[in-house]
Amino acid sequence: KAGVTQTPRYLIKTRGQQVTLSCSPISGHRSVSWYQQTPGQGLQFLFEYFSETQRNKGNFPGRFSGRQFSNSRSEMNVSTLELGDSALYLCASSLSGAYNEQFFGPGTRLTVL
Amino acid sequence: TQLLEQSPQFLSIQEGENLTVYCNSSSVFSSLQWYRQEPGEGPVLLVTVVTGGEVKKLKRLTFQFGDARKDSSLHITAAQPGDTGLYLCAGARRIQGAQKLVFGQGTRLTINP
Repeated sequence: KAGVTQTPRYLIKTRGQQVTLSCSPISGHRSVSWYQQTPGQGLQFLFEYFSETQRNKGNFPGRFSGRQFSNSRSEMNVSTLELGDSALYLCASSLSGAYNEQFFGPGTRLTVL
Repeated sequence: TQLLEQSPQFLSIQEGENLTVYCNSSSVFSSLQWYRQEPGEGPVLLVTVVTGGEVKKLKRLTFQFGDARKDSSLHITAAQPGDTGLYLCAGARRIQGAQKLVFGQGTRLTINP
């Protein structure tokens, strides 16, 4: 069974731009969660999508948004990028929810200049 | 304030030594997961503990869930260079009406040959 895939793996953007990250979950997994990982803050939960609906949300500004498609693939969008958005963005899928065992993708390394 | 405190944050030891990593909280969790993350990859689930006092073994790794389900420990016997990585604990609990997974800051472990 194929694992979670994320594209792109690396991205360099400048302040003020926007970015879209993509995640394909493990086949059969309906829950997709997004996390931001930085050396200072660790792994922070952004949001969870389940059957195309946002089911949980972390404490991030509205510049961070996401969506999920009918095939469970998910995208995350960050608008008006700031320097502090530089991080590793991880996507994780699960059979039933963001509180259950998470299967992570390799992440997208975003650098904002 | 971190809901889950991991200690130590950094640990560097010689091959063959034993070590213990701690994950502590004042909150009760319905389950606790341990992940290991290697550079350039997403976290990989090692184990889930559910019952207070539960002990699980994975080769040289021993995981224990506290009796009150507020803390957990990971003990590695005869550490090997392949054990090097970032170890993350994650607790599942109900926050603001929703089941959520909360991650600790992680313990960065280096095993020197």
